[in-house]
Amino acid sequence: SQQGEEDPQALSIQEGENATMNCSYKTSINNLQWYRQNSGRGLVHLILIRSNEREKHSGRLRVTLDTSKKSSSLLITASRAADTASYFCATDRGGGSEKLVFGKGTKLTVNP
Amino acid sequence: DVKVTQSSRYLVKRTGEKVFLECVQDMDHENMFWYRQDPGLGLRLIYFSYDVKMKEKGDIPEGYSVSREKKERFSLILESASTNQTSMYLCASSFPGLAGGPDLETQYFGPGTRLLVL
Repeated sequence: SQQGEEDPQALSIQEGENATMNCSYKTSINNLQWYRQNSGRGLVHLILIRSNEREKHSGRLRVTLDTSKKSSSLLITASRAADTASYFCATDRGGGSEKLVFGKGTKLTVNP
Repeated sequence: DVKVTQSSRYLVKRTGEKVFLECVQDMDHENMFWYRQDPGLGLRLIYFSYDVKMKEKGDIPEGYSVSREKKERFSLILESASTNQTSMYLCASSFPGLAGGPDLETQYFGPGTRLLVL
């Protein structure tokens, strides 16, 4: 079952602009993670935010989590062409499960 | 750095063939996962293993089996390949989170195997 759903499905911006992607989920979570996937490759972990955290930064990435709205956002500042990729949010399934549920992803294109 | 490798990047098989996809990780992770990724459907979990010889079905286990005889290796088996199993297959591994606790560890992914069943 799909837990996280990203929005928008696709996003096209110019280099230097900021990119914001959103993720909504349905049930209570312990953590939410964001991953990046370059075309035809495996996923790479970007950042994990715990349910008791509201905001987290890593380099040009800023993640927020609003557990009351069951939503998260990923902001990439000063985007570069190399940021072109698909971005996925992933949530746990609760109950101590090790398994994640991934959304369908946002395809980001950064034009030089 | 964690390294997860998959035996093939591209694979072409015929309907009815038995197919083995191999995944190896070098970080002594207890957990290993097999996903398939299809356009418009995202990643779906096929099987999960939390220890040697231990496995759990994921969301779409039908038509698949798995084997974990050694900690570092997790194999996905298509007993009789069908065209609807044409997909990108991704393997991942992770440490377990704290028992009963809220910490869920990062998953490290291999590069993927793109399987075409004709």
